[in-house]
Amino acid sequence: AQKVTQAQTEISVVEKEDVTLDCVYETRDTTYYLFWYKQPPSGELVFLIRRNSFDEQNEISGRYSWNFQKSTSSFNFTITASQVVDSAVYFCALSEAFNSGGYQKVTFGTGTKLQVIP
Amino acid sequence: DTEVTQTPKHLVMGMTNKKSLKCEQHMGHRAMYWYKQKAKKPPELMFVYSYEKLSINESVPSRFSPECPNSSLLNLHLHALQPEDSALYLCASSQDRGNYGYTFGSGTRLTVV
Repeated sequence: AQKVTQAQTEISVVEKEDVTLDCVYETRDTTYYLFWYKQPPSGELVFLIRRNSFDEQNEISGRYSWNFQKSTSSFNFTITASQVVDSAVYFCALSEAFNSGGYQKVTFGTGTKLQVIP
Repeated sequence: DTEVTQTPKHLVMGMTNKKSLKCEQHMGHRAMYWYKQKAKKPPELMFVYSYEKLSINESVPSRFSPECPNSSLLNLHLHALQPEDSALYLCASSQDRGNYGYTFGSGTRLTVV
């Protein structure tokens, strides 16, 4: 069974601080995909990044960066120089790679609520 | 068009009412999903439609009835709901087997009174 653990329930930082959101996953699949989604107070879930299990390169997108380490089954997300607009709930998610039904079933973590204080 | 559009954004209904939630996407995605999200919880999968056929029903009570009239539309018909069904209902779509991530709508916030 797949499992995603986000141990940090809530984090508060002061604007311009760096913050790292942790994500640890469990799966028996050798091929899988990892995602981060952002859910602002307005409610929609915004896709941030996808990583497949064969690509352990870290990725940077503006102030966002992701550190994928298969050895520790972690896929952590860092926001550099945080801003008030970063305040949201962030979900880490894991999906199986193949499904004969033509869809992907995704397991979400419980989310980390980030509050950036001005 | 890279959006999933959900209507209405907010809905208040009585326990004896019948209402429907609507979801639309024009990205050519062939899988569409209904998720339910309670406050401070992750989304929970309810239904999956793949190529307009119901692929997954996660043991959802029959008072929720999904419908996929065509590849762009997904409805969720609601009847005789309970107050505990109050939640954010999210629709999502994805490419067939692409594992490129879901595109979510902004959700319908449902309150059952």
